[in-house]
Amino acid sequence: NAGVTQTPKFRVLKTGQSMTLLCAQDMNHEYMYWYRQDPGMGLRLIHYSVGEGTTAKGEVPDGYNVSRLKKQNFLLGLESAAPSQTSVYFCASSYDSRPGREQFFGPGTRLTVL
Amino acid sequence: AQRVTQPEKLLSVFKGAPVELKCNYSYSGSPELFWYVQYSRQRLQLLLRHISRESIKGFTADLNKGETSFHLKKPFAQEEDSAMYYCALLMDSNYQLIWGAGTKLIIKP
Repeated sequence: NAGVTQTPKFRVLKTGQSMTLLCAQDMNHEYMYWYRQDPGMGLRLIHYSVGEGTTAKGEVPDGYNVSRLKKQNFLLGLESAAPSQTSVYFCASSYDSRPGREQFFGPGTRLTVL
Repeated sequence: AQRVTQPEKLLSVFKGAPVELKCNYSYSGSPELFWYVQYSRQRLQLLLRHISRESIKGFTADLNKGETSFHLKKPFAQEEDSAMYYCALLMDSNYQLIWGAGTKLIIKP
């Protein structure tokens, strides 16, 4: 099993460009999450999904959109990238959200917006 | 507001010495606490969770609700313990994780 995979691993964008980050999991997990990590800060939740066809906002959703058309995929879109979106993006998944349930993480995508 | 604080950005100890990574939280609900670890060139992964009351790789952590702390301890550090350690709080209101900023642990030979 590949677990959680993220595409691409690195990307450099110019301000105003758009892009989509792809997260895929092969563990049949219901829940999927997108986080961003900035220097000196903990992970912050951008959006999450509790199942196919559902999405919800996290702590820092502005400037991002997401879609969960298939259970195994969770896409994060930046419609008009800004330098403030320079960050490392992590995708995670979990079987459900019950207390104690482990989240499994992807390797991360390093995004730079110039 | 809910918050997780890891006061040490960097902790350096010698091999064989005891290790304590501090985690304090602020949350009005019923907390569920976790420690996640990221070894060099590896993914972030769960180390332990307080509800399991387990010891993983010699690490233990006890939830102290009075002091609102969940410190991670190991009596004898090993070089392979060098990594980034993150404390996380699961909010029972929406089941989202709130993360600390992390502590980089370096074990010196």
